[in-house]
Amino acid sequence: AQSVTQLGSHVSVSEGALVLLRCNYSSSVPPYLFWYVQYPNQGLQLLLKYTSAATLVKGINGFEAEFKKSETSFHLTKPSAHMSDAAEYFCAVSEASGTYKYIFGTGTRLKVLA
Amino acid sequence: EAEVAQSPRYKITEKSQAVAFWCDPISGHATLYWYRQILGQGPELLVQFQDESVVDDSQLPKDRFSAERLKGVDSTLKIQPAELGDSAMYLCASSLGLDGGVEQFFGPGTRLTVL
Repeated sequence: AQSVTQLGSHVSVSEGALVLLRCNYSSSVPPYLFWYVQYPNQGLQLLLKYTSAATLVKGINGFEAEFKKSETSFHLTKPSAHMSDAAEYFCAVSEASGTYKYIFGTGTRLKVLA
Repeated sequence: EAEVAQSPRYKITEKSQAVAFWCDPISGHATLYWYRQILGQGPELLVQFQDESVVDDSQLPKDRFSAERLKGVDSTLKIQPAELGDSAMYLCASSLGLDGGVEQFFGPGTRLTVL
């Protein structure tokens, strides 16, 4: 079965600093991978997705992620953190067949310090 | 901009009572999902519909939970009877169809508190 591991349930960065949120997946075949963001008491919003095209994926709000098959990783980065980036971030993997259902990681709460 | 609608946004109920949540997906989206998100965890799929048919309900506690999407449009998730452990955010999502890499669009969720 697919699984997703997000290292670090809480990450704090200073405003203007690099944001790095880690995601590792377990899959025997190249999966589909997603990063979603959730603001308090709201639903999830798609930041970016990997669907076997380019390994470096650019998303909204200046975020990007790199798919590394050899490391089974899909880490999310942003060069310069903004106060508005404070939220919870979820990595998800989708099965490559069948119902294509998502398996979510446990999330990383990002805090941005002034 | 089209959005997934959910109601109510908040629900407080007592243990052993029945509760129901409603979801209206984005128009034209054939696939509808119900997730449960416990505080501090990621969403977990409860049930997935393709049009009016259930394609995955393997994680749905069928002794107390039921879901329907009678006309293949809006959907209702019911819990009867509610238990303390059901306190969570219930999220509805929709997508155009079943395909790899398809984006799921999420509603704002219903936060359930069981006392």
